[in-house]
Amino acid sequence: AQTVTQSQPEMSVQEAETVTLSCTYDTSESDYYLFWYKQPPSRQMILVIRQEAYKQQNATENRFSVNFQKAAKSFSLKISDSQLGDAAMYFCAYRRGSGYALNFGKGTSLLVTP
Amino acid sequence: SAVISQKPSRDICQRGTSLTIQCQVDSQVTMMFWYRQQPGQSLTLIATANQGSEATYESGFVIDKFPISRPNLTFSTLTVSNMSPEDSSIYLCSVELAGGSYGYTFGSGTRLTVV
Repeated sequence: AQTVTQSQPEMSVQEAETVTLSCTYDTSESDYYLFWYKQPPSRQMILVIRQEAYKQQNATENRFSVNFQKAAKSFSLKISDSQLGDAAMYFCAYRRGSGYALNFGKGTSLLVTP
Repeated sequence: SAVISQKPSRDICQRGTSLTIQCQVDSQVTMMFWYRQQPGQSLTLIATANQGSEATYESGFVIDKFPISRPNLTFSTLTVSNMSPEDSSIYLCSVELAGGSYGYTFGSGTRLTVV
């Protein structure tokens, strides 16, 4: 079974600074996808960024980027120029392939201070 | 992008009763899933909703407690039966849109409180 581990229950960052959220996973599959989702207090799950395992290039979406280390099974999220609206729970998720469900980590609560 | 309508958004129910949650998508969908998020916890997969056939349940979840229907590609219901306070959670539907693997889209969730 695939497992996703987020070792940081809580993180704090000052506005305009950079923060990195950690995620590791365990799998024996060669084809899989990794995701970061954001869940604000509204409880809506919002896709932040995704990474296909076969791609060596790290994904980026504006202020959000990942550091994907396939051999180490590591998938960290970097948020640059943090904003107050970034405060939320962040979940790392794994999926084997198309048609399979997401498997989530326990989440990291991000606090952004002015 | 797709719009997922999940209803109700919240409810307070008496123990022993049942609640049916609806999930309607306005786009073509290949896969639909139901998740539970207990207070302060992560998301746990309840089942995969299969069109026209019985849902596929994860370990720890059974059809008698969480019956699921999916009569067509874009609509599904989850019923929480014979509720107890331990069923108080957020329930979310999630879909994979046809034509892409751009992550799954989620409904806005149903916050259920059982008293």
